[in-house]
Amino acid sequence: NAGVTQTPKFRVLKTGQSMTLLCAQDMNHEYMYWYRQDPGMGLRLIHYSVGEGTTAKGEVPDGYNVSRLKKQNFLLGLESAAPSQTSVYFCATQPWDTGELFFGEGSRLTVL
Amino acid sequence: GQQLNQSPQSMFIQEGEDVSMNCTSSSIFNTWLWYKQDPGEGPVLLIALYKAGELTSNGRLTAQFGTTRKDSFLNISASIPSDVGIYFCAGQGSATNAGKSTFGDGTTLTVKP
Repeated sequence: NAGVTQTPKFRVLKTGQSMTLLCAQDMNHEYMYWYRQDPGMGLRLIHYSVGEGTTAKGEVPDGYNVSRLKKQNFLLGLESAAPSQTSVYFCATQPWDTGELFFGEGSRLTVL
Repeated sequence: GQQLNQSPQSMFIQEGEDVSMNCTSSSIFNTWLWYKQDPGEGPVLLIALYKAGELTSNGRLTAQFGTTRKDSFLNISASIPSDVGIYFCAGQGSATNAGKSTFGDGTTLTVKP
């Protein structure tokens, strides 16, 4: 089993470009999350989903959009990338009955 | 919003020493979790705590859910080089909700052989 897979793992964008990060899970977990990690700031929640077809804003949602058309996939989009969005992005899943998060390996994004 | 204060921010210790770190919050949590992140990887769960006062061990790691439900502690005994990494605490309001885990800023552990 792959667990939680993020693609791409690395990406460099120019300011104003758009891109989509894909998170795919094979654990049949209901909940999925997108976090960003910046040095010294821990993990901050961008958006999350409690099930197929549902999404909600987290702590730092501005500049990002998400979609969960299928239970196993959670997409994070940047419509017009800004240098402040340079970060490492982590997807995580969670089963409905425990608090444990299962993380992907991360996607490192640089916006020039 | 909820905030977690995790300390210390970093630790430099000698192999074989014990390590202690903690998280405190102004809010009550129903679940406390401790994760470890190795370089270039995503965090991995070490210990989950679901009851106030609970003390749980995982090998050389021991974690406690504070009785006030506003804090948690992680201890590592007899540290080894592979303990190097970033340790995060996380609190959740309810284990069966989309808990929206709130994370501390992490404790970076360096172990000198």
